[in-house]
This record gives sequence, structure tokens and C-alpha cells, in this order.
Amino acid sequence: AQKITQTQPGMFVQEKEAVTLDCTYDTSDQSYGLFWYKQPSSGEMIFLIYQGSYDEQNATEGRYSLNFQKARKSANLVISASQLGDSAMYFCAMREGNTGGFKTIFGAGTRLFVKA
Amino acid sequence: DTEVTQTPKHLVMGMTNKKSLKCEQHMGHRAMYWYKQKAKKPPELMFVYSYEKLSINESVPSRFSPECPNSSLLNLHLHALQPEDSALYLCASSPRTGRADTQYFGPGTRLTVL
Repeated sequence: AQKITQTQPGMFVQEKEAVTLDCTYDTSDQSYGLFWYKQPSSGEMIFLIYQGSYDEQNATEGRYSLNFQKARKSANLVISASQLGDSAMYFCAMREGNTGGFKTIFGAGTRLFVKA
Repeated sequence: DTEVTQTPKHLVMGMTNKKSLKCEQHMGHRAMYWYKQKAKKPPELMFVYSYEKLSINESVPSRFSPECPNSSLLNLHLHALQPEDSALYLCASSPRTGRADTQYFGPGTRLTVL
């Protein structure tokens, strides 16, 4: 079974509008971390936002916010006021493990296209 | 500064060549990683170094040989590669290997094996 599921292979959004990228995860661990990364066509993976499994507040970083619903095991990324430069591949990721070490598991990604 | 550097940016090599990929970070991170990423796929973990010791090897073929000379440097030695090894190789670092430790990635090396 997939650990991280991103059901939207591609998404379109109009410039200046908000967009939500979906992510669901599967783990039996109580302690885990959830991340979103952006990968432009240049290839570099850019860290956007982090949410810990014990965090009660949804994480926010500038125009990025993470809608964390623990009971539903979802961690959707919301991008407000989309910009042309937001066009990229977006990966949801989870770090799970134990004190011996944590590994990062990535979802398949969602390609976002921002239209002028 | 959250910069991870990788050299070279592009590499073309034959199946009999020996080459090395280099990665460097000066953030004081004690964990470093190598990932392989094929086109339109997510990154796949290859190796994890924690405090300069190899802690995870994801059953990577021996033609890939990692090396961590010190806490700032990570190398990936390549020998007798196959065309299917052509991919983007990403290096990353994080403060440690904990649950909340964010990984910061370098720009990657695009490898083509002829």
C-alpha cells in the first residue's frame, strides 16, 4: 500500500487565486513529520512547510499553509494568491521511523500550472 | 544559509568509466543523503549518513559507492554504470535524522550513462 498518496497528477490555477493540493498518508506510528517540497523544472527540491504529528495548530509559512486533519490522515497544501513562479511539481512527504533513524517517503507529486 | 552545493551539474559517462559526484554543506548538519530521481517520479532514497557513518543503504547496487570524508562532504563514486542509471542525483542534508529534521536539497547532478 502506498504510504503517501497524491491523487492529482496535474492542477491548473488562475494567477492570484488560491489552490489546494491534496495529500493523504498511511502510518501506524504516533510520531511522524509531514513536509511539502516544490521542485521547479531546474530540479532542485525546495522545502516549503513542515507539520509534526503532535502539532495542534496548522502550519503556515507565508503564502503556504498546511491543512492538517490527523483523524483523516490528510495534509493538504494550500497556496494563496498563486503566482506564475509557483508553476512546478509539488511533493508531499512523510518522515517516519524511530529513535534509530527516520526515513522520508515521497508521494508521486502534483504538477501545478499557474495561468496568467 | 540553507545551501547545499553539488558538482558537477551535468555528467555524461560511458559504462566503463569511473566518476564521482560531490556534495557539500556548511550548515553544521550531521545527516546527509543521496537520492536518485527518474523523470516524472519522486526521489528514491539511496543512502543515509549520520555523523559520518553509513546508517541506511537501500539495497543499492555496488556500482554506487558512497563516501563521507567529513561532516560537510558527501561523495558518490560511480563505476560500471548501466544506461538505466541515468537520472537526477540529489544530495540533501538535515540537522540530524529525527522526525522533525527538515532535509535541504542541492540542485542535483543530471547523469547520463551511454
